[in-house]
Amino acid sequence: DTGVSQDPRHKITKRGQNVTFRCDPISEHNRLYWYRQTLGQGPEFLTYFQNEAQLEKSRLLSDRFSAERPKGSFSTLEIQRTEQGDSAMYLCASSLRLESYNEQFFGPGTRLTVL
Amino acid sequence: QKEVEQNSGPLSVPEGAIASLNCTYSDRGSQSFFWYRQYSGKSPELIMFIYSNGDKEDGRFTAQLNKASQYVSLLIRDSQPSDSATYLCAVALSGGSYIPTFGRGTSLIVHP
Repeated sequence: DTGVSQDPRHKITKRGQNVTFRCDPISEHNRLYWYRQTLGQGPEFLTYFQNEAQLEKSRLLSDRFSAERPKGSFSTLEIQRTEQGDSAMYLCASSLRLESYNEQFFGPGTRLTVL
Repeated sequence: QKEVEQNSGPLSVPEGAIASLNCTYSDRGSQSFFWYRQYSGKSPELIMFIYSNGDKEDGRFTAQLNKASQYVSLLIRDSQPSDSATYLCAVALSGGSYIPTFGRGTSLIVHP
């Protein structure tokens, strides 16, 4: 399977715990995006990387959220001190950066439930 | 003001009919427009993209873009029950980063 993969697919945690999600993009894609999606809403952009550089992080929801892509391949999204409001689907997408085209391919998502 | 607006629906059409889904956006500098399909519990899947005013056809799908009126639409001809899903409109705003902003999606139900 050469698509975008995410791990874990489901995560249940208690409020106050830290969680980390992993995303493996399509191998030749140099851009990687993180989104959050809640019920009845479209995906909400959080951050993105071009290779290992994080080019936009101002839309991370709070300083409890952080993301890394240390070698320009897989990425992790960490949420510290989770709150019930963090319960959502976290989606990763990747794309090949071209001048005027940016088709994003989404992974299956990680569903987070904070108790 | 939301940047990308869609009617949440549901839009219900009979099998074989044309389903028309609409989306408006606020930023006149928007350059790229996408339609994604999302089945319940699944991740979004790109089905159409359009950059220029006018129509773009791909099989049973036609995307229509009118930049002057700031709307983009998706027509699905010969709708099938398997087309039942949420359709997300996404717009890449000006600035060159091509990060799409998504609408909340329109739920489409195609009944036999």
